[in-house]
Amino acid sequence: GAGVSQSPSNKVTEKGKDVELRCDPISGHTALYWYRQSLGQGLEFLIYFQGNSAPDKSGLPSDRFSAERTGGSVSTLTIQRTQQEDSAVYLCASSLGPMNEQFFGPGTRLTVL
Amino acid sequence: GENVEQHPSTLSVQEGDSAVIKCTYSDSASNYFPWYKQELGKGPQLIIDIRSNVGEKKDQRIAVTLNKTAKHFSLHITETQPEDSAVYFCAASRGNTPLVFGKGTRLSVIA
Repeated sequence: GAGVSQSPSNKVTEKGKDVELRCDPISGHTALYWYRQSLGQGLEFLIYFQGNSAPDKSGLPSDRFSAERTGGSVSTLTIQRTQQEDSAVYLCASSLGPMNEQFFGPGTRLTVL
Repeated sequence: GENVEQHPSTLSVQEGDSAVIKCTYSDSASNYFPWYKQELGKGPQLIIDIRSNVGEKKDQRIAVTLNKTAKHFSLHITETQPEDSAVYFCAASRGNTPLVFGKGTRLSVIA
């Protein structure tokens, strides 16, 4: 069956530009998470969507970061006015519910020049 | 909030030997402790998890132990094989909160 997919797999952008990263979760999964993984570091939580509840945005590092989840399925992470320190791999995960196994996508590698 | 420390950051073992990775957590209310394996260029994949109502769980060559009093948990891999080489992450949560991950351990199994 299809797993979590993310697009693009790689994104190179110039400092100051906006970028959108897409996540397609596993069908039927109500929970969706975004994480950021910097080189040699662990996974840093960014934002969490659960069903129709208001998202948990407590991990977003600045107001340049935002995310939406339309129709309880696809999610888009938007980074405005990108900075070099935004360069990282952005991982999306989904799960049946908040206490279930999280399935990760392959990630989007973002490079800000 | 929760803080997860993971050690060692790198680990090299000979094929067939055992590998042990240790994590500590700070939030005594955490009750879910998964371990993920991440291969190069891929997203992390769950390999085993444990909840706070048990002290040990085993799945073939992989086992996890949990000490709630000391707030630490460990991953044990026996009879290591080259395909076990990867980065391993521990994590902790209260179950209904996002996972907090350790910084990872790069395991190298030398044939």
